[in-house]
Amino acid sequence: AQSVTQLGSHVSVSEGALVLLRCNYSSSVPPYLFWYVQYPNQGLQLLLKYTSAATLVKGINGFEAEFKKSETSFHLTKPSAHMSDAAEYFCAVTKAAGNKLTFGGGTRVLVKP
Amino acid sequence: NAGVTQTPKFQVLKTGQSMTLQCAQDMNHNSMYWYRQDPGMGLRLIYYSASEGTTDKGEVPNGYNVSRLNKREFSLRLESAAPSQTSVYFCASSEPWTSGRVGEQYFGPGTRLTVT
Repeated sequence: AQSVTQLGSHVSVSEGALVLLRCNYSSSVPPYLFWYVQYPNQGLQLLLKYTSAATLVKGINGFEAEFKKSETSFHLTKPSAHMSDAAEYFCAVTKAAGNKLTFGGGTRVLVKP
Repeated sequence: NAGVTQTPKFQVLKTGQSMTLQCAQDMNHNSMYWYRQDPGMGLRLIYYSASEGTTDKGEVPNGYNVSRLNKREFSLRLESAAPSQTSVYFCASSEPWTSGRVGEQYFGPGTRLTVT
């Protein structure tokens, strides 16, 4: 069975500082990995995804994530936080055969002025 | 193009009452999903429908039933609500994984359900 672990349920960053959200996965086969973002009182939307084409993946709003097979990680970063980045972020995994996603517990990001 | 819509947005039920959550998508997607979101647990899959006419259990199906009414609509029914079903429910849709758009799901705005 595949699973996803997000370290830290809450992260607080200052505006302009680096955002780093951690995600580790366990999977018996090479997975597809995703980051979704949920703004307050909204549904989730796809931020970026890894599908084995390139280990460094760029997404919307300046976010990027790096797939590291040796560390079974897919951490999300943004060089400079903006107030509009305040949201909850979910890492997710799926296998090729099927489209069901398994989500991590989520990390809520607070951005301080 | 409304995407994925859900009704109602909020609902309060008493223990033992029943209700149906409605979901519709206008993106001509084959696959649809129902999730529940609880603090610290992320989203957990309740049921999904890979295509019209098929439904399958997800991770937490107990206490729920679903109906894939047609390609657009996928409803979730609570036959006898329990306080443990207090949660935020999300519907999502996607193209089949064979389209190449693996894992790209489109979510509705959610239904916040409280069972007292």
